Formats: sequence, structure tokens, C-alpha cells
Amino acid sequence: SQTIHQWPATLVQPVGSPLSLECTVEGTSNPNLYWYRQAAGRGLQLLFYSVGIGQISSEVPQNLSASRPQDRQFILSSKKLLLSDSGFYLCAWSWGMNTEAFFGQGTRLTVV
Amino acid sequence: AQKITQTQPGMFVQEKEAVTLDCTYDTSDPSYGLFWYKQPSSGEMIFLIYQGSYDQQNATEGRYSLNFQKARKSANLVISASQLGDSAMYFCAMREYTGNQFYFGTGTSLTVIP
Repeated sequence: SQTIHQWPATLVQPVGSPLSLECTVEGTSNPNLYWYRQAAGRGLQLLFYSVGIGQISSEVPQNLSASRPQDRQFILSSKKLLLSDSGFYLCAWSWGMNTEAFFGQGTRLTVV
Repeated sequence: AQKITQTQPGMFVQEKEAVTLDCTYDTSDPSYGLFWYKQPSSGEMIFLIYQGSYDQQNATEGRYSLNFQKARKSANLVISASQLGDSAMYFCAMREYTGNQFYFGTGTSLTVIP
């Protein structure tokens, strides 16, 4: 069966520090991968998605970047965090045209 | 323009009653999928139900059903016999078959009252 791992679960980082959030998927190959951000009490904003290794699409301009160094690994990064980067970050994967997205447990990031 | 609109920020329902959560969508793609997710306070996203744009029947999954009105571009979630454990945020989402993105609405917070 397929599983998705996302870590860390919580993170407190100072303004200006770098960020690296990692997401891996097991049990499937060539998944579509997604990074979403959810501000407190708000909906999910799609940040990046990837349909293959090295293929990254950005939905909104921002202080963040994403990379997919391996088929089932998706990394969200920042060189210098801003206060506005605080939020709940969710990684997800999907496969096929009419299947749902499966989400990781999320990372609560607080930038102080 | 918003792809997914959920106009009910918060809803209350009595335990054992049914409740309808509204969702409208906007797309020019003839092929798309509609999804509902539940997000409890823990933050995990739990998939509930799926409706394809060409499906003739409304989708059902246990106590969940999707009231799909294609001409109105609406995909409302109906929860029957509400339980206290149904208290959570509910998100409507759409995926157009020409793309790979899932677009989510702003969510509806459902509170089940005992």
C-alpha cells in the first residue's frame, strides 16, 4: 500500500533562517506531488506541484522553492524565512486522472 | 476567478440531523473531478468522496453523498445522521483533467451539537 511521510511535524524557526521540509512517498512510482500551505483558519493554497523528477511548477510567486531530486521525494525550501511564511504545510500525492490526492500529516511552521 | 467557492464559513447541526455543505466551482474544462475532504483539529486531510464530471449518478459513501448539479456547477456535500465526530473543517476541491492541480475552497467549519 502507498504511504506518504512528511517531516518534521512542528518547526519553530527565526526570521532569516533557512528552511527544508521533506516529503517522501512509498508504494507507488511517478506520482504527482504537491506542496500546499494553509494559513490559520484558512483554505489550502497550492504552492508547487511536480509531475516528474526535476519538473516543478509554481503556482504563486513567493519566498519558497521546491525540488524533486528523486521520483518519490519532494522538498520545500527557503533561503531566508519571513514572518509571513508561518503556516501549516501539507505535502500530497496523486496518481491518475480521477483519483484523490493523499496528504501527509503536515508541518506546522512558526517563524519568530 | 476562484475555481472553488464555499460560501459557508461555519455551520451548526444537531446530532443525528442531516446537513448540506455548499460548493460551487468554475471551469471550462469538460472533464474534471470534484472531491470533498474533512480536516479535524489534528490537521490531517481525510478524503471523503469523489464525483467525476461524466458520472450520471450522485456519488455516495456511507453517510456522505454528493449532490452534483452540473448545470449549476455545484457539488454540495450532504452528511446524514450527523455525529459528534463529524465536527471538523470540510473542503471542496476540483481537479481539471487537462491539468494536475487540485484547487481547494476556503472550507466550512462544521460543529455538531449534542
